[in-house]
Amino acid sequence: RKEVEQDPGPFNVPEGATVAFNCTYSNSASQSFFWYRQDCRKEPKLLMSVYSSGNEDGRFTAQLNRASQYISLLIRDSKLSDSATYLCVVRNQGGKLIFGQGTELSVKP
Amino acid sequence: ETGVTQTPRHLVMGMTNKKSLKCEQHLGHNAMYWYKQSAKKPLELMFVYNFKEQTENNSVPSRFSPECPNSSHLFLHLHTLQPEDSALYLCASSQDERTVSSYNSPLHFGNGTRLTVT
Repeated sequence: RKEVEQDPGPFNVPEGATVAFNCTYSNSASQSFFWYRQDCRKEPKLLMSVYSSGNEDGRFTAQLNRASQYISLLIRDSKLSDSATYLCVVRNQGGKLIFGQGTELSVKP
Repeated sequence: ETGVTQTPRHLVMGMTNKKSLKCEQHLGHNAMYWYKQSAKKPLELMFVYNFKEQTENNSVPSRFSPECPNSSHLFLHLHTLQPEDSALYLCASSQDERTVSSYNSPLHFGNGTRLTVT
């Protein structure tokens, strides 16, 4: 089993839709969690850190469920510009950062 | 604008060439990383340096040779590469990943070097 797993997608949604991605992790002692966004042929960019109590940044909401060992990203009112690959990143108890394989999102007009 | 700068942005080299990739970070971080990303594939960690000390070598072939002269600069020296080494090479930095207090520190990536080996 991979240490961090994501559904690769692609998720094809219309503009204005709400879409949610999940990411599961296998190490229960994982310390911190992040969502990154990567556009085609570009570097990953930090979208948001994920805090234990959940956090929101505009149309984006991140949640952490330690009991079930997953994090989620919810995008409301999708825009065309949200089309990208979303990477789940987990830092394990040794401090090592583990990347998921990414979930591809395509928002259509 | 990124606080991590990579040069060159694009590189085409033959299999017998020797070239170097350069990375510089202006974020005051103590850890620097090299990642490789082949087309349509996940990121692959290559090397990690903490306070100039190499703390991880992820079974990378010896034709890739990293160098970290200080916490702000990282190089990747390339020699006798193969066509399958063509990929996007990404440098990143963060706070020292061995320090628990830095665990919430995310990675900051450079723009990457797109390498083509002919």
